[in-house]
Amino acid sequence: GAVVSQHPSWVICKSGTSVKIECRSLDFQATTMFWYRQFPKQSLMLMATSNEGSKATYEQGVEKDKFLINHASLTLSTLTVTSAHPEDSSFYICSARDSGTPVGPQHFGDGTRLSIL
Amino acid sequence: GQQLNQSPQSMFIQEGEDVSMNCTSSSIFNTWLWYKQDPGEGPVLLIALYKAGELTSNGRLTAQFGITRKDSFLNISASIPSDVGIYFCAGQLGGSNYKLTFGKGTLLTVNP
Repeated sequence: GAVVSQHPSWVICKSGTSVKIECRSLDFQATTMFWYRQFPKQSLMLMATSNEGSKATYEQGVEKDKFLINHASLTLSTLTVTSAHPEDSSFYICSARDSGTPVGPQHFGDGTRLSIL
Repeated sequence: GQQLNQSPQSMFIQEGEDVSMNCTSSSIFNTWLWYKQDPGEGPVLLIALYKAGELTSNGRLTAQFGITRKDSFLNISASIPSDVGIYFCAGQLGGSNYKLTFGKGTLLTVNP
């Protein structure tokens, strides 16, 4: 149980393109999902908290107009990197927790490798 | 953002050896989690700890939630080659705050 599916797993695109990444909880509902960014040989850095039916909460230093988050259902959150540039190249990972349990860990997707040329 | 102090940064061990890694924090957490990440993949949950002093096992893995709520350790016994990867600790305040604060990770290499 507790499977989080992230798609696509790998994207290469030209500078200026917008890229959408999907994060789905497959066997549980998640009112809260999280988006992380990870650079090589570094830990995960939280970018934003995605809240179902309301605006996302962004961490300090993360541009909300650059990284658009939509959480329109209890099983899907999307992250759109708008007008991507080479410095946006990174490994993006989402996580979700089962909102049906009072305490419970976050479960992670397999990540999306984004490369901007 | 804030990070936990995780040590060691890396370990090179022989197959069959036991391994220990730990995390400390200057502030209290109400949940401690240990994840393993393989290259190019997302972290996979190994053990979740919800109570101070709790000692929990998952196969060859054992983790403890420190009594002060500011630390946790993970032990791996009788290591095997597939234990190779990066291990992350994470702390969570809980309540309505589900954000995770991560350690910098421990890179484990197991020589067959």
